[in-house]
Amino acid sequence: DGGITQSPKYLFRKEGQNVTLSCEQNLNHDAMYWYRQDPGQGLRLIYYSQIVNDFQKGDIAEGYSVSREKKESFPLTVTSAQKNPTAFYLCASSIFSGGDSYNEQFFGPGTRLTVL
Amino acid sequence: AQSVTQLDSHVSVSEGTPVLLRCNYSSSYSPSLFWYVQHPNKGLQLLLKYTSAATLVKGINGFEAEFKKSETSFHLTKPSAHMSDAAEYFCVVSDRRRSYIPTFGRGTSLIVHP
Repeated sequence: DGGITQSPKYLFRKEGQNVTLSCEQNLNHDAMYWYRQDPGQGLRLIYYSQIVNDFQKGDIAEGYSVSREKKESFPLTVTSAQKNPTAFYLCASSIFSGGDSYNEQFFGPGTRLTVL
Repeated sequence: AQSVTQLDSHVSVSEGTPVLLRCNYSSSYSPSLFWYVQHPNKGLQLLLKYTSAATLVKGINGFEAEFKKSETSFHLTKPSAHMSDAAEYFCVVSDRRRSYIPTFGRGTSLIVHP
C-alpha cells in the first residue's frame, strides 16, 4: 500500500528534551511538509521540502529543525527552544511541479506530542 | 497575500438535513481552492478541489462546492447529512504568489445529531 506513515502515534517527553518525529512516504513524492495543529488554529506550516537536501522554513519554524537526506523521509526535531511544543503534528507529501501549480497533499495519521 | 476565512467554527445539523460550511478567500491571483476533511485524531483527506475549470465542483461522499469569484466564496454543501460526516473540515487556498504553498483555514467542526 502506498502512503505516509508517522511514528509514534503518541509521544511523551519531559520539558527541555529534544524529540524527533518520524515521517516516511512511499508515494515517490518530491515535496514533503510538516504542520502543527492546535485546537481552533487550523494547520500551521513548520517546514517544507521540495527536493532532497533542501528545505524551507514555514510560518512557525522557530524551535524546530528538519533534514531531508532521502526522498522518502522527512524527520522533524522539536527542540527545547520550542516554547509550547504540546500539539498534534501532521506530515504531508505531494508531487512537486516546480512551484507553478498546486498538487493535492496526502497526509499521514499524525503524532500527538505531549510535553510534561 | 492569500488568506482563507471559515465563517463558522462549529455547525450543528440533524441527520438527513442539508449541510452548509462557509468559506471566503482572499487572493490576488487565480487561486486554487480545496476542502479537506479530518476525522478525530486522523490525518486529512481531500474532499474536492477547484483549479479554474468548472465552478461547481463535485467531491467524494456527496459533497460539492461552488466557486463564486464575485463573492470570493467557496462554500461546501451536502444535500443530506449522515452521522459519518461528523468531522473537522478545512478550506484551503493556494496561489502562485506563495509558490502554491497552501494556506489553511481554522476549520469548521461539523456535528451531526441523530
